[in-house]
Amino acid sequence: EDQVTQSPEALRLQEGESSSLNCSYTVSGLRGLFWYRQDPGKGPEFLFTLYSAGEEKEKERLKATLTKKESFLHITAPKPEDSATYLCAVPPGGTSYGKLTFGQGTILTVHP
Amino acid sequence: AAGVIQSPRHLIKEKRETATLKCYPIPRHDTVYWYQQGPGQDPQFLISFYEKMQSDKGSIPDRFSAQQFSDYHSELNMSSLELGDSALYFCASSASGRSSYEQYFGPGTRLTVT
Repeated sequence: EDQVTQSPEALRLQEGESSSLNCSYTVSGLRGLFWYRQDPGKGPEFLFTLYSAGEEKEKERLKATLTKKESFLHITAPKPEDSATYLCAVPPGGTSYGKLTFGQGTILTVHP
Repeated sequence: AAGVIQSPRHLIKEKRETATLKCYPIPRHDTVYWYQQGPGQDPQFLISFYEKMQSDKGSIPDRFSAQQFSDYHSELNMSSLELGDSALYFCASSASGRSSYEQYFGPGTRLTVT
């Protein structure tokens, strides 16, 4: 069974204090890993798709990386508006589509 | 850019009542997914449709049913509502035939059962 584990559960940062969020996965034949941002009471907002180990993608202060066992979401010089829950998710093993299995998420709080 | 539309955004029902949630996917997206998210939990997959046919089924109660129509919109029908059905219900859509299959989520419907 596909498993996705995120750590830490919660992360508090000062504005400008860079850090990383971790997403470990157990999927047979990974064909993609998705990162989402979710604000309270809103739908997950798509951030990145990573397909293969070694791949990196960037968007503003966020950079996502992928290895064969885990993915990292690096946040550089975060701002209070980056506060949200960050979710990673994978499709069924051997496919790049289908129902997503989500991690529990990391609640990021950035203090001014 | 057009996004996934869900209606209603908020719904309050009493126990044993029925509810219908609607989802309008992004234009040219042919696959729709339904997820349920309880407080402090990650989204849990319920059911999906591709080209109007059920493509996958998750932990969806027998009291729930869903379908996708010819215009690709989807409806989730929930009967004999229970207090535990109170949650955020998200619809997501994706386009088949592409390399990414990225799922884009709607704003959700908050269902409260009293």
